[in-house]
Amino acid sequence: DGGITQSPKYLFRKEGQNVTLSCEQNLNHDAMYWYRQDPGQGLRLIYYSQIVNDFQKGDIAEGYSVSREKKESFPLTVTSAQKNPTAFYLCASSIGRPGGAGIQPQHFGDGTRLSIL
Amino acid sequence: GDSVTQMEGPVTLSEEAFLTINCTYTATGYPSLFWYVQYPGEGLQLLLKATKADDKGSNKGFEATYRKETTSFHLEKGSVQVSDSAVYFCALSDRGSNYKLTFGKGTLLTVNP
Repeated sequence: DGGITQSPKYLFRKEGQNVTLSCEQNLNHDAMYWYRQDPGQGLRLIYYSQIVNDFQKGDIAEGYSVSREKKESFPLTVTSAQKNPTAFYLCASSIGRPGGAGIQPQHFGDGTRLSIL
Repeated sequence: GDSVTQMEGPVTLSEEAFLTINCTYTATGYPSLFWYVQYPGEGLQLLLKATKADDKGSNKGFEATYRKETTSFHLEKGSVQVSDSAVYFCALSDRGSNYKLTFGKGTLLTVNP
């Protein structure tokens, strides 16, 4: 079955530590996205990538970094500069590059819940 | 910039009741509109979408009509079930925001037997 796999499901971070969240998709989608979800605030875009080796900042990129070395993979690193990292992180992907194939819906993984020890 | 406003929750209904969750939007362009559903502990699933004015999206008994004149995309279902308990998100995407999704804050629906 095609889909998006996020791992781990739960992650704990110590103060001053960087952690990396994995996101892999086998849908052959060009575009990938990372969102942060906090209670009562909906989803906020952290980073997105429209094509391999290219990515753009979203609305709340500070304290986060990403890479897109392969089409299938878009890992997110939560750095020690992110002062309030406790949240639910969602990865998504969509067909084609935005604007190229029209507006396509995004498909989501099951999320990673990050907590601070 | 783009924004989505949906009704505050939580919404609590009895099984077989009628559901409406209001959603209005502002956008710089001509957006596509979406409803997503999130079940506990899971990611979001696309529930339905509409890409132009007067389009009606429908899925699993849920419906929403793209109303350009009122900039609205209200979600409705005639008879809810306990299994519909979830958080519902209204969202839009348009050229003006480089096709990024803009979400509302979500509405928690609880359906009691």
